[in-house]
Amino acid sequence: AQRVTQPEKLLSVFKGAPVELKCNYSYSGSPELFWYVQYSRQRLQLLLRHISRESIKGFTADLNKGETSFHLKKPFAQEEDSAMYYCALRHSGAGSYQLTFGKGTKLSVIP
Amino acid sequence: DAEITQSPRHKITETGRQVTLACHQTWNHNNMFWYRQDLGHGLRLIHYSYGVQDTNKGEVSDGYSVSRSNTEDLPLTLESAASSQTSVYFCASSETRDNSPLHFGNGTRLTVT
Repeated sequence: AQRVTQPEKLLSVFKGAPVELKCNYSYSGSPELFWYVQYSRQRLQLLLRHISRESIKGFTADLNKGETSFHLKKPFAQEEDSAMYYCALRHSGAGSYQLTFGKGTKLSVIP
Repeated sequence: DAEITQSPRHKITETGRQVTLACHQTWNHNNMFWYRQDLGHGLRLIHYSYGVQDTNKGEVSDGYSVSRSNTEDLPLTLESAASSQTSVYFCASSETRDNSPLHFGNGTRLTVT
């Protein structure tokens, strides 16, 4: 069965420090991975998807199939990065596509 | 601008009552989803629909039902509310089934007393 693991419930870093939010997955098929973010008092929104290989708000994430990981990284944290981050895996079967989310990591950037 | 709206934003109900949470989207998306968000569990899929008259069970569907009579709406019904269903509920929609992003509503905070 598919699973997404975010080992840290809470991650606190100082402004300007590097950030790495960990995400590991288990899935027997070809994975499609996403990062969603929820800022305070805002709705959940897509941050990154691995197929795009893009950098959004300074964040990047590389899919490592060998380590089954999709860690989210940013070289210099900013206060506005404080939010709840969810890693998600899209999986399919019998024509059905679903997103399985991790439990989330709350990032707190200390001024 | 297209959007997805949920109502009510907050709801308090008693155990055993039937409750319906509304979700309305103007994206004209065929795919709609209901999730619940709980501390320690993240987001879990309750039900989803790929189009009118199509509904499917998700990971935590027991005690919930949905109906899809048109493209815009996917109401979520709790047949007999239980305290374990106290949660924040999110509705979402997407353009395609594969890798298009989910557009989320603002959520409904439901408390069952």
